Amino acid sequence: GAGVSQTPSNKVTEKGKYVELRCDPISGHTALYWYRQSLGQGPEFLIYFQGTGAADDSGLPNDRFFAVRPEGSVSTLKIQRTERGDSAVYLCASSFAGTPSGANVLTFGAGSRLTVL
Amino acid sequence: AQSVTQPDIHITVSEGASLELRCNYSYGATPYLFWYVQSPGQGLQLLLKYFSGDTLVQGIKGFEAEFKRSQSSFNLRKPSVHWSDAAEYFCAVGAGTALIFGKGTTLSVSS
Repeated sequence: GAGVSQTPSNKVTEKGKYVELRCDPISGHTALYWYRQSLGQGPEFLIYFQGTGAADDSGLPNDRFFAVRPEGSVSTLKIQRTERGDSAVYLCASSFAGTPSGANVLTFGAGSRLTVL
Repeated sequence: AQSVTQPDIHITVSEGASLELRCNYSYGATPYLFWYVQSPGQGLQLLLKYFSGDTLVQGIKGFEAEFKRSQSSFNLRKPSVHWSDAAEYFCAVGAGTALIFGKGTTLSVSS
């Protein structure tokens, strides 16, 4: 697509529920990132995919968070047993994968705002 | 550990006045540095980046930034601010596999 698309744009759920957030990257971008942005903070890295595999998941806060990218395009961030502290905007970004990856120029989606009541 | 510090949480500038947003980074190797802007309800948009070479880099919307290795800084500047520049600005360093962001500076523009 023309840009990075994230759905839903807003999600309200209850504590303890399961949530899925979807990201559709720019066509041809093999690198995909998930970030979390809490109120008043900068984006915090969660996970980086190179193709279908998670190349770096060091930012996932705990085992309630999981992400997949089965065909190397669309990615889904999954949160189990949601907690109020999970409330944030979840940002997805994609890029061409260069070397080193720290030099990749990321294009961000508008984000999915998650509210856990 | 890699980190980015943006010392100013909120800045107010008069329309037409000049702007400088501060950014300091901590990174052991050659840094890849970025400035992104985020308007309400929008994703982050890249303003400019520094990888190597000329330490003064030009970006979109009339912004520029200067890399100063001796000060570990990458400050963003604009000679004349427009009301549409009101937004949140994030400095980031490319470290390892991902970008590390500062906490951001909110820019307000007064008429």
